[in-house]
Amino acid sequence: DGGITQSPKYLFRKEGQNVTLSCEQNLNHDAMYWYRQDPGQGLRLIYYSQIVNDFQKGDIAEGYSVSREKKESFPLTVTSAQKNPTAFYLCASSNQGSYEQYFGPGTRLTVT
Amino acid sequence: AQSVTQPDIHITVSEGASLELRCNYSYGATPYLFWYVQSPGQGLQLLLKYFSGDTLVQGIKGFEAEFKRSQSSFNLRKPSVHWSDAAEYFCAVAIPGGYQKVTFGIGTKLQVIP
Repeated sequence: DGGITQSPKYLFRKEGQNVTLSCEQNLNHDAMYWYRQDPGQGLRLIYYSQIVNDFQKGDIAEGYSVSREKKESFPLTVTSAQKNPTAFYLCASSNQGSYEQYFGPGTRLTVT
Repeated sequence: AQSVTQPDIHITVSEGASLELRCNYSYGATPYLFWYVQSPGQGLQLLLKYFSGDTLVQGIKGFEAEFKRSQSSFNLRKPSVHWSDAAEYFCAVAIPGGYQKVTFGIGTKLQVIP
């Protein structure tokens, strides 16, 4: 079955450490997205990529970095510069020209 | 820039009762409109979408939504709610022809009581 996988489902890190969240899709979608979800704030766009080796900042990119070396993969690194990294992170993808996004199951990151 | 408002953060309905979740958008023309559902600790699933044409849109799980241009609204409805409908519902908007950026509302959490 095609879909998006995010791993791990739960991630715990100490403050000051960088951490990388995985996102893989086998839907052959060109575009991929990272969102952050906090209670009462909906989904906020961190980064998006419409094509391999290209990506753009979203609304809250500070303290995050991404890469898009392969069409299937769009990992997100939460750096130590991110002031409040504890959140639920969602990865999504869509076909080129389509606005319908398919979501992964999410990764809950807890930083203490 | 487009924006979307979901005025109800939390709604409680009895099982078997009808449901309407409100969504209003702000944009000069007609945007693309979506409703997504999220079960606790899970990703989002698309319920339905509106691009153009018939203003009453049917979706999965027995949901429908009506686009009203005059009210800038895209409310989600279901005639009879089931306990399994308890989840968080997100309205979303995108600008046709622009970057494939979708703006999400803050969500409405639906509780279903017996």
